[in-house]
Amino acid sequence: EAGVTQFPSHSVIEKGQTVTLRCDPISGHDNLYWYRRVMGKEIKFLLHFVKESKQDESGMPNNRFLAERTGGTYSTLKVQPAELEDSGVYFCASSQDGLKGETQYFGPGTRLLVL
Amino acid sequence: GESVGLHLPTLSVQEGDNSIINCAYSNSASDYFIWYKQESGKGPQFIIDIRSNMDKRQGQRVTVLLNKTVKHLSLQIAATQPGDSAVYFCAERRGYKLSFGAGTTVTVRA
Repeated sequence: EAGVTQFPSHSVIEKGQTVTLRCDPISGHDNLYWYRRVMGKEIKFLLHFVKESKQDESGMPNNRFLAERTGGTYSTLKVQPAELEDSGVYFCASSQDGLKGETQYFGPGTRLLVL
Repeated sequence: GESVGLHLPTLSVQEGDNSIINCAYSNSASDYFIWYKQESGKGPQFIIDIRSNMDKRQGQRVTVLLNKTVKHLSLQIAATQPGDSAVYFCAERRGYKLSFGAGTTVTVRA
C-alpha cells in the first residue's frame, strides 16, 4: 500500500510569489493533517481535515495560507503571497477515520525556500 | 506556548550500546505520547506510543517510559545500530492534534 505522498519535494520561490503544495493521503484515510517545521524549530500543527471538512485550523499562521480538500481525497496548501518566514518543511499526515488513538502517518514533506 | 521539549539536541552513541532519549512535557491533559523517527529526506516515522494511563510500553528493541509525576518521557533503544541514526521527536496528542518537541539528533558511531 502506498504511503502519504507529497508534491513537490522541493520548491524555491521568490518573496511575493504563490506556491501550492499537494498531499495525497493513504487511500481510505479520512483524516488529513498539515504540519510544518521552520528552520531549527519544532514541527507545528497547521490544520486537520475530516474528509472535505476543516475540523481544526487553529495552527494556520495567517490568511496567506489556504488549505483545501475538495472531494475529500487529496489536499492542497496554498501560500499567497509567500514571505521569507514561510520557508521550512511542510508535512502532510493522514490517519484512518474514527479513533483518537490512531497513528498519523507522515509524508516525506515539501521543502519550501522563499528568497 | 510549547508543551513538549527534549533535554538534549544531540546524542552520540557507540554501535551496540543502548540509547536513551529524554523528553519533558508540561501538559498533563494529553491522551497519548508518541515517539517519531525522522531520517534525512523523509517524513517522521511512527516508532511507538504510550497512553497517558500507562507507564511503560515495549516494542521491538524500543521501550518507552512515561513518568507522569515529573512529566518525563523517554525512549530507550537497545543495541543501537547504524540505521538508528536519525532525528527523534517526542510528541503528545490531545484529540487529533500532535504537539512536537524540537528533536534529538542521534548519531551512531561504528
